[in-house]
Amino acid sequence: EPEVTQTPSHQVTQMGQEVILRCVPISNHLYFYWYRQILGQKVEFLVSFYNNEISEKSEIFDDQFSVERPDGSNFTLKIRSTKLEDSAMYFCATTASGSSYEQYFGPGTRLTVT
Amino acid sequence: GENVEQHPSTLSVQEGDSAVIKCTYSDSASNYFPWYKQELGKGPQLIIDIRSNVGEKKDQRIAVTLNKTAKHFSLHITETQPEDSAVYFCAATPFYSSASKIIFGSGTRLSIRP
Repeated sequence: EPEVTQTPSHQVTQMGQEVILRCVPISNHLYFYWYRQILGQKVEFLVSFYNNEISEKSEIFDDQFSVERPDGSNFTLKIRSTKLEDSAMYFCATTASGSSYEQYFGPGTRLTVT
Repeated sequence: GENVEQHPSTLSVQEGDSAVIKCTYSDSASNYFPWYKQELGKGPQLIIDIRSNVGEKKDQRIAVTLNKTAKHFSLHITETQPEDSAVYFCAATPFYSSASKIIFGSGTRLSIRP
């Protein structure tokens, strides 16, 4: 069964550094999302992306965050200058086109900012 | 804004017994209600969903019910097994397009006692 994959599984970085989290969507999916989950808390929506544009973003997704799909396969989340409070699990999710409702999640990247 | 409340936060049941998790939502425009299971170190996995045009859906040992008037929806797991132990998240989304964000509940940690 096709799966969403994410790399790396764990990223440790120092405060102020830039990080890029990568996601490979299911091959025929066209809608992409990033969510985050701070340890022990609920999963929170960050951003949705379709046709090379942001469709919607949350208050969390400020100017420090950006997303792109540079090569038609990988979908990336960049945090320009990480803060301690960015430490969380980051999940990529994808949906097929048209009237599909279901979002399929990747295994996540654990980001630790020290 | 949109909010999804979930209860209980933890639930322990004897193997073979039933488990019920309840959620309420605030946005009357919500029309799609997925349930996700998250095992340790993994991403959320869609286990069942229900759309606003039906009141109940069943898939083997799992069933979901929806009361749109009261803005309540519930997950029922019958004949629980050890592998059902996980964190379960309810969620809601106003489905305007395939780029619609999912709003998650706070999660229920389900433990199955042997």
